[in-house]
Amino acid sequence: SQKIEQNSEALNIQEGKTATLTCNYTNYSPAYLQWYRQDPGRGPVFLLLIRENEKEKRKERLKVTFDTTLKQSLFHITASQPADSATYLCALVGAGGTSYGKLTFGQGTILTVHP
Amino acid sequence: DAGVIQSPRHEVTEMGQEVTLRCKPISGHDYLFWYRQTMMRGLELLIYFNNNVPIDDSGMPEDRFSAKMPNASFSTLKIQPSEPRDSAVYFCASSFLSGSTDTQYFGPGTRLTVL
Repeated sequence: SQKIEQNSEALNIQEGKTATLTCNYTNYSPAYLQWYRQDPGRGPVFLLLIRENEKEKRKERLKVTFDTTLKQSLFHITASQPADSATYLCALVGAGGTSYGKLTFGQGTILTVHP
Repeated sequence: DAGVIQSPRHEVTEMGQEVTLRCKPISGHDYLFWYRQTMMRGLELLIYFNNNVPIDDSGMPEDRFSAKMPNASFSTLKIQPSEPRDSAVYFCASSFLSGSTDTQYFGPGTRLTVL
C-alpha cells in the first residue's frame, strides 16, 4: 500500500542552524510534491511545490529537493528562527490511478527552533 | 479576499446528533476539498468538487457522511448520525486549478467533538 513517512515526529534545533526535514514514500508515483506549514489551531499553508522532473526548488530561506530514485524529498530551512517553529507537512500528488490529482499528506514533523 | 471561511469553528455534540459543517471557498476557485485531521490518521482527503460537481468521494468514511456544493460559493459536510470516532478537525480547502498544479488554500478548520 502507499505510504508517506516524515522523518521524525519532532525536531529540535538551535536558532541560526539549518533544519532538514525528510519525506519518504513507497508504492507511489507522484507527479508533484508540496510542502505545507501548519501552526497550532490553523489550517496548513502552502510553502513550495516541486515537480518530478525538478531536482531542487528554492524560496528565500527554504529549499526543497526531490529524488524520485530514492523516493525522498528533503526540506531545508536555513538560518532558522524561533518563528519557524511549526508542523511541516509533505504532500504528494498522484500521477495516475486512484491517486491522480489528489494530495496525500504525511503525518508531519513538529519543528521547534530554540533561541 | 477573506480566504476560505468555515463555520462553526468549534462544535460539540452528542452521539447520534446530526452535524453540519459549512465552507465558503475563495471566490473564483474551481476546486473545493474537504479534509479530516486526527492525531492517529493525520490529514485525510474526504471528498473534492470541481465546478460544484463531486469528483472523488472515495475518502468518505461511510454513508453517515455526505457533502454537497449547491453553488460555487458554498459547501456543506454533514454527518448523520454522529459518533465519538468522528471527533476531529475538519478542513475545507479550495484551489484555482487542481491540487496537482496549484496550491490549496485551507480554511481555519472546524473542531468537532462528539460526546
